[in-house]
Parts: sequence; structure tokens; C-alpha cells
Amino acid sequence: DIQMTQSPSTLSASVGDRVTITCRASQTISSWLAWYQQKSGKAPKLLIYEASTLQSGVPSRFSGSGSGTEFTLTISSLQPDDFATYYCQQHNGYSPFTFGPGTKVEIK
Amino acid sequence: EVQLVQSGAEVKKPGESLKISCKGSGYNFNNYWIAWVRLMPGKGLEWMGIIYPGHSDIKYSPSFQGQVTISADKSISTAYLQWSRLKASDSAMYYCARSDRYPLFGIFNYWGQGTPVTVSS
Repeated sequence: DIQMTQSPSTLSASVGDRVTITCRASQTISSWLAWYQQKSGKAPKLLIYEASTLQSGVPSRFSGSGSGTEFTLTISSLQPDDFATYYCQQHNGYSPFTFGPGTKVEIK
Repeated sequence: EVQLVQSGAEVKKPGESLKISCKGSGYNFNNYWIAWVRLMPGKGLEWMGIIYPGHSDIKYSPSFQGQVTISADKSISTAYLQWSRLKASDSAMYYCARSDRYPLFGIFNYWGQGTPVTVSS
């Protein structure tokens, strides 16, 4: 099975900061990577798929990049609504569809 | 409008059985895979398994194979997750999620609201 790791596990940042989260796969997954945002008590929300395709309705301050085994999620200017936990997930056929351990973005 | 509506909160004792549900509406339930995802307190999301209601093809994560059973009743557009003997460690929030179709299989853009399960003596 493909294993996913994320760094950092926790990130403290201020409104307006540029934030970057890294996700690594244990083997190549081409561009088959998605990013989700989850707020406390809510269901996850799809932000990005195929590594860099923004889901409809997601603000353009979110962007994704990478391929192979290393990927990044960038928030260009952190907004108050963005404090949440972010998960990467590989969608490379069926491996199974593993999630990363998550990155919690906290207020500094 | 696509919606996934899950059954309500459950409080059970260890050793009891449980079946929770996820009802889809606003789309052809038979034609989209439905997954189950676990969120334990203080932990991350864990992908449990997925079912294609049209022909009941099911794939389990190795971590959950044999621990849970996934099923679906396409006549009522409902997917299920069940346990035969609950353990305290099954206490978690459980989400169902709809996968997009090929070539975007495995992307989950619709989610249920979650079903909290508490197992305690």
C-alpha cells in the first residue's frame, strides 16, 4: 500500500501569511493527489485534485503543485476562515485511497 | 442537489452490533462509488473501504478488512457500515463520501454530515 506523510504536523501562522504544506507519497502516484480542508465538527471539503486542479468554488488563494512523490499545498494569503486541518490523499487507482496524517493550521 | 444524509449518533456497549447508514439523493445512486472514512478523536482521516452500489463491488482497506462490513441497498439508495462486535476502540466519527467517476475515481467531493459512534461500558 502507498503511505502518505505530511509536514509540518502543526503550523502556526498569522492572517495574511503565505503558508505551505508538504505531502509525500511512499511511491510515485503521478499527479493523483487531492487536498481536503476539515474544520472541527464538519465534514472534509475537497480543495484540489490531480495535484493542482482547483475544485469549483474554492478560493484562488489555494494552489497545489507537485508530481511523483512530492506535493505542496499553498495558501497565498491566509484568511481567518482558513484555520483548519488539511489532509492530502492519493487517488492513484485503488491502493487504497490513503490519507496523509493531517496538518493543523493554527492562529499564531 | 447531491446529498448524503447519514443516520444519527449511536451509543453502544462493547460486544454489541451496529449498522449505520448513508442515504444518497440528487443523483443516480447506482453509478457512483461510496466510501466510508473514520475520524478518531485526536487522529486523522482513515479510509476504510468503498462500494459500488450498482453491482455491490466492495474494496476494503487492509486495516479494516474483517473488522467491518460495507453494503448497500440500491432500491433505497442507501449504503451501510456495520460491526458485528463493537470495541471501545471503534469510538469515532464515521463519514460516508461519494467518489467522482473515472478518471477522477477516488476523489471525494460530496460528504455526509458524519455519524458519531461511542462504545463504552
